[in-house]
Amino acid sequence: AQSVTQLGSHVSVSEGALVLLRCNYSSSVPPYLFWYVQYPNQGLQLLLKYTTGATLVKGINGFEAEFKKSETSFHLTKPSAHMSDAAEYFCAVSADTGNQFYFGTGTSLTVIP
Amino acid sequence: ETGVTQSPTHLIKTRGQQVTLRCSSQSGHNTVSWYQQALGQGPQFIFQYYREEENGRGNFPPRFSGLQFPNYSSELNVNALELDDSALYLCASSHQGQLNTEAFFGQGTRLTVV
Repeated sequence: AQSVTQLGSHVSVSEGALVLLRCNYSSSVPPYLFWYVQYPNQGLQLLLKYTTGATLVKGINGFEAEFKKSETSFHLTKPSAHMSDAAEYFCAVSADTGNQFYFGTGTSLTVIP
Repeated sequence: ETGVTQSPTHLIKTRGQQVTLRCSSQSGHNTVSWYQQALGQGPQFIFQYYREEENGRGNFPPRFSGLQFPNYSSELNVNALELDDSALYLCASSHQGQLNTEAFFGQGTRLTVV
């Protein structure tokens, strides 16, 4: 079984500050891990994903995440927040390439000018 | 903007009625998954269709059913609507079996049950 826990339903950062959104997963098999972003009244857009290989994954819009198997974590970071980063962020896990995702409850990111 | 389109964008139904939501997958994709996103929650996996057959199901009752057509588009049907079925319904298309394939989501159908 797969599941995801996102710590912190709301995160506020100042513009230009570091963004850190936390995600811990549980999986009975080697996981595939994803971060998606959702803007108001829109669907989900893929930020980045980890399947195999390098554990530090770079995505779009300057985001990156590191897969840490020993900590069962896949935290999302961005060195400098921009106003346009304000959105809902979802971490997700999948058991294989079939794209059957199990999502966390989401973290709402607010960027303060 | 992805090539996944959903219709309608919004609809309101009465408790006990039936509803059909539609999803057109992205060109070249053979798999469609459906998700329910209640307000303030993450999307919950309903089921997935591949080659016109159900290929995995989440924890949803049988009154949630689906179809996939030869052109890979899909329908989600919900019978005997309940107030708790009010949610954003998302579909995602992908290509089954390819490592590093990406799933593309539509913008969703907002269903309100009154």
